[in-house]
Amino acid sequence: DFVMTQSPDSLTLSLGERATINCKSSQSVLYNSNNKNYLAWYQQKPGQPPKLLIYWASTREPGVPDRFSGSGSGTDFTLTISSLQAEDVAVYFCQQYFNTPLTFGGGTKVEIK
Amino acid sequence: QVQLVQSGAEVKKPGSSVKVSCKASGGTFTSFAISWVRQAPGQGLEWMGGIIPMFGTPNYAQKFHGRVTITADRSTRTAYMELSSLRSEDTAVYYCATSVYCGGDCFSRWFDPWGQGTLVTVSS
Repeated sequence: DFVMTQSPDSLTLSLGERATINCKSSQSVLYNSNNKNYLAWYQQKPGQPPKLLIYWASTREPGVPDRFSGSGSGTDFTLTISSLQAEDVAVYFCQQYFNTPLTFGGGTKVEIK
Repeated sequence: QVQLVQSGAEVKKPGSSVKVSCKASGGTFTSFAISWVRQAPGQGLEWMGGIIPMFGTPNYAQKFHGRVTITADRSTRTAYMELSSLRSEDTAVYYCATSVYCGGDCFSRWFDPWGQGTLVTVSS
């Protein structure tokens, strides 16, 4: 199974600061035949289901603010929130969809200082 | 746009079974895959398995093989997840989620959208 490891477990920042969340896969999620990374990012607020933010590692879902961006390739990925807003308080998960079983990172909780 | 509505909360005894439903509206029911993902209280997300309604053949995570049954009824646009031999560790919110169908028995896509979740509590 692909093990997804996120860091840090939690992040407390001031409004307007940059948030950086890392996700490392135990195996590469880059599919050589189409040069795509099979990785997505989700945001989950309390009492709600996860919401898709980014897929193919860096493609923003329509309607997602452009302060959210994804980068990385192979086994190492990053979700960046360029300027933290109050409504970004949530838990963020990465997920690989390269192979079943589909697996998620443990989550990173983002809070405001 | 697909919308998913799940059945309501359940309280079950250890050793019993639970069946959760997920009804899809909008979109073409046979054009996507449906997965079940659970989340124990305060914990992360765990994929249990999924089904491609066009074919009806499920794909289960090894951890749940033998205890979970995922089915889909194309006539009612509803997917079901039944979990048997329940234990306290199965207490969780169970979500259904769709992913764009990518051919064959492919589940290799992101989840969007998700159902609202169904809390299953296992307690004696």
